[in-house]
Amino acid sequence: ELKVEQNPLFLSMQEGKNYTIYCNYSTTSDRLYWYRQDPGKSLESLFVLLSNGAVKQEGRLMASLDTKARLSTLHITAAVHDLSATYFCAVDATQGGSEKLVFGKGTKLTVNP
Amino acid sequence: DTGVSQNPRHKITKRGQNVTFRCDPISEHNRLYWYRQTLGQGPEFLTYFQNEAQLEKSRLLSDRFSAERPKGSFSTLEIQRTEQGDSAMYLCASSWGSSYNEQFFGPGTRLTVL
Repeated sequence: ELKVEQNPLFLSMQEGKNYTIYCNYSTTSDRLYWYRQDPGKSLESLFVLLSNGAVKQEGRLMASLDTKARLSTLHITAAVHDLSATYFCAVDATQGGSEKLVFGKGTKLTVNP
Repeated sequence: DTGVSQNPRHKITKRGQNVTFRCDPISEHNRLYWYRQTLGQGPEFLTYFQNEAQLEKSRLLSDRFSAERPKGSFSTLEIQRTEQGDSAMYLCASSWGSSYNEQFFGPGTRLTVL
């Protein structure tokens, strides 16, 4: 069964600093998604990564996918307070015969002034 | 607004009561998904529909949970004989079902069972 692990689960960082969130998954998949969730709100789609080596960037966030290593990263550059939220990676389980997404536990990011 | 909508947004019920939630997907999307999210966890898949066909329901948590999508448009999720452990956020998502398969989530229904 597909398992998705994120680390760290909690991240407190200062404005202006850089950091990376890691997402490992246990079985083959070629579709990975990153979502953002603000407290009490639903999930906002950030990135869709469809192939090995895919890299997507939006503002201060950049996501990449290495399907051979079963690893995705979400890199934060020069963090600002508005990036404070919980970030989830989700892996498409289609190759295991299901259309569902399997989510990690999320990384709660707090950006301090 | 053409996003996914869910009603009600909040539901408080007593243990043993039945509850029903509604999800209206993005109109051109043929796939609809239900997830459950508990505090501090990522969403957990429950079931999904392609048009009106329920293609996977193995993750519905027990036989107290059922879902329908009778005309391939909106969907309902029913929980019978609610238990305190059912308290959670219930999220609906929809997608076009292409190879992209990006799922767009609704605002969720927060259920509290007293």
